[in-house]
Amino acid sequence: DIVMTQTPLSLSVTPGQPASISCKSSQSLLHTDGKTYLFWYLQKPGQPPQLLIYEASNRFSGVPDRFSGSGSGTDFTLKISRVEAEDVGVYYCMQSLQLPSITFGQGTRLEIK
Amino acid sequence: QVQLVQSGAEVKKPGASVKVSCKASGDTFISYTIYWVRQAPGQRLEWMAWINAGNGITTYSQRFQGRVTVTRDTSASTAYMELSSLRSEDTAVYYCATGAWGQHWGQGTLVYVSS
Repeated sequence: DIVMTQTPLSLSVTPGQPASISCKSSQSLLHTDGKTYLFWYLQKPGQPPQLLIYEASNRFSGVPDRFSGSGSGTDFTLKISRVEAEDVGVYYCMQSLQLPSITFGQGTRLEIK
Repeated sequence: QVQLVQSGAEVKKPGASVKVSCKASGDTFISYTIYWVRQAPGQRLEWMAWINAGNGITTYSQRFQGRVTVTRDTSASTAYMELSSLRSEDTAVYYCATGAWGQHWGQGTLVYVSS
C-alpha cells in the first residue's frame, strides 16, 4: 500500500494568518493518464469529511479560494492563505492511484489561536 | 444534489455482525460507485470496500477481506455494508461516500462493539 505521511500533525493559527500542511506519499501519485490522484479533505467536528481539492491542485466547487493545493510526484501541500474560524477541523490527504487500495494520511488538526 | 443517508447507531457484542445501510438520492443510483470508509477513535480514515451500484461488482480492502460484504438494492437505491466477527477494535464511525472524487458522504454510522 502507498503510505501517506502528513506534517505537522497539529497546528494553531491566528485568524488572518496563513497555514500550510504537507503530505508525502511513499511513491509517485502520477498516473499514466497524466492525472495526479491526490485529494484533500477537511473534517469539521462531528461531520463527515468534505472535499477541498481534487487531483492535487483543483479546488472543488464552492471551496473558498483561500484554499489551494500544489505539488507533484510524492510531495504535496495544502495552503490556506488567511485562516478563518470556520477552517477548524482535521485535514486529510488521500491517494487513489493504487486501486483498489485507497489510503489516507493520518490527519492534521487545525485550531484557532 | 446527491444525498446519502445512513442507518442509525448500533451496539454489538464481540463476534456478532452488523449491517449498515446507505440510501442514495438525487441522481440515478445505478450510476454510482459507493465507497465504505471507517474511522476508529483517534485513527485515520480507512477505506474498506466499494460497490458499483450498476453491475454489483465489489472490491474489498485486503485488510477486511473475508469479513466485509457490500451489497446493493437498486429498487431501494440503497447500499449495504456488513461486517462480521466483530471485535472491540471495530468500534468506529462507518461512512459511505460516492462521486468521482469522493465528494458526497453520508452522515456516518457509529458502531460500538463491547461485551
